[in-house]
Amino acid sequence: EAGVTQFPSHSVIEKGQTVTLRCDPISGHDNLYWYRRVMGKEIKFLLHFVKESKQDESGMPNNRFLAERTGGTYSTLKVQPAELEDSGVYFCASSQVKGGAGNTIYFGEGSWLTVV
Amino acid sequence: DQQVKQNSPSLSVQEGRISILNCDYTNSMFDYFLWYKKYPAEGPTFLISISSIKDKNEDGRFTVFLNKSAKHLSLHIVPSQPGDSAVYFCAARGWGTYKYIFGTGTRLKVLA
Repeated sequence: EAGVTQFPSHSVIEKGQTVTLRCDPISGHDNLYWYRRVMGKEIKFLLHFVKESKQDESGMPNNRFLAERTGGTYSTLKVQPAELEDSGVYFCASSQVKGGAGNTIYFGEGSWLTVV
Repeated sequence: DQQVKQNSPSLSVQEGRISILNCDYTNSMFDYFLWYKKYPAEGPTFLISISSIKDKNEDGRFTVFLNKSAKHLSLHIVPSQPGDSAVYFCAARGWGTYKYIFGTGTRLKVLA
């Protein structure tokens, strides 16, 4: 079974440009998360989808970040316009159900974003 | 305010010995805790978890201990192997939520 896949794996853009990151969760996982890690710091929560609905977007830094999950399958995270402080690794994760073994979230390899 | 803290940024252990990684949390509403291992340029990989109704969970060489009164959990790796060298993150989830809060990670180096 395929794991969480993310695209692109690396992106270098100039300040002011737009970048769109894509995440395909594990098939059948209704919960989808975006996290970000800035160099050496914690893996910070950005937002959580259940199917196509945003359940919690309390971690989104500002309105330059827009996440969507049309149809409840893959998700995109757009940064527009990008700023230098947006550089970091953006992780997507997914999980299956509410209780028991479904509490575990599975991560993708991450999308490394560098804004210059 | 950091709700999940890993106060040791790095740890070195001799191969074959025990590795103990620590994690403290501040929110008493956390009910589920996980440990992840992360190699460079890869995503975090799930290692082991524990529910707040337990105080210990074991899986092979990995054991997680939870001390709710101290709001402290630890990951024990016995025996440590060079392949265990990675960054370890602890994470916690509040009851009734899906928001997992991660610590800053501890870099473990197992010396051959």
